[in-house]
Amino acid sequence: QKEVEQNSGPLSVPEGAIASLNCTYSDRVSQSFFWYRQYSGKSPELIMSIYSNGDKEDGRFTAQLNKASQYVSLLIRDSQPSDSATYLCAVKLTFGNEKLTFGTGTRLTIIP
Amino acid sequence: NAGVMQNPRHLVRRRGQEARLRCSPMKGHSHVYWYRQLPEEGLKFMVYLQKENIIDESGMPKERFSAEFPKEGPSILRIQQVVRGDSAAYFCASSPTMDTDTQYFGPGTRLTVL
Repeated sequence: QKEVEQNSGPLSVPEGAIASLNCTYSDRVSQSFFWYRQYSGKSPELIMSIYSNGDKEDGRFTAQLNKASQYVSLLIRDSQPSDSATYLCAVKLTFGNEKLTFGTGTRLTIIP
Repeated sequence: NAGVMQNPRHLVRRRGQEARLRCSPMKGHSHVYWYRQLPEEGLKFMVYLQKENIIDESGMPKERFSAEFPKEGPSILRIQQVVRGDSAAYFCASSPTMDTDTQYFGPGTRLTVL
């Protein structure tokens, strides 16, 4: 079982709709969760971080965390063509283990 | 306020040569992380360094790869006797302290081994 799993996609969403990206992780002691956006040929850019169960909203982005189900998701409202990118889910274990473990990413395409 | 800087951005080496990748963290950041992204794969952790110390090298291949972060100057990832399988994008990230979760990524170095 992979440590962090994402549906590789591609996921196609019409412009203006809600894009839903999902991620599961295997290690129950994971404490910190991140969503990065990566455009083709570019470096990862942090979109959201979440640490507690529930929802966290930032503009058009909402991250959702359910530690019991070991599941984290990212919702993008009012999707724009500029949101077309690969979205990487990353997980960090407890304090003292600083490395990020990434999923392979979900490629999102917003259709105008 | 400059971000994480990496150079070179593109590096071409022939098999058997050495590759040196440099990373200057953001101002005020003392923690550096190196990740590798193979084509069509996710980012894989390689090594975590603080000034003059390697904290976690659990992701580094056992041979040919080494990293340092000297007291002065950038962090360097060194790959000796490169092989075609080393072709990848190498990203450096930095964070201000261990208590800060956020890692900021540099633009990456794309290594091509001929």
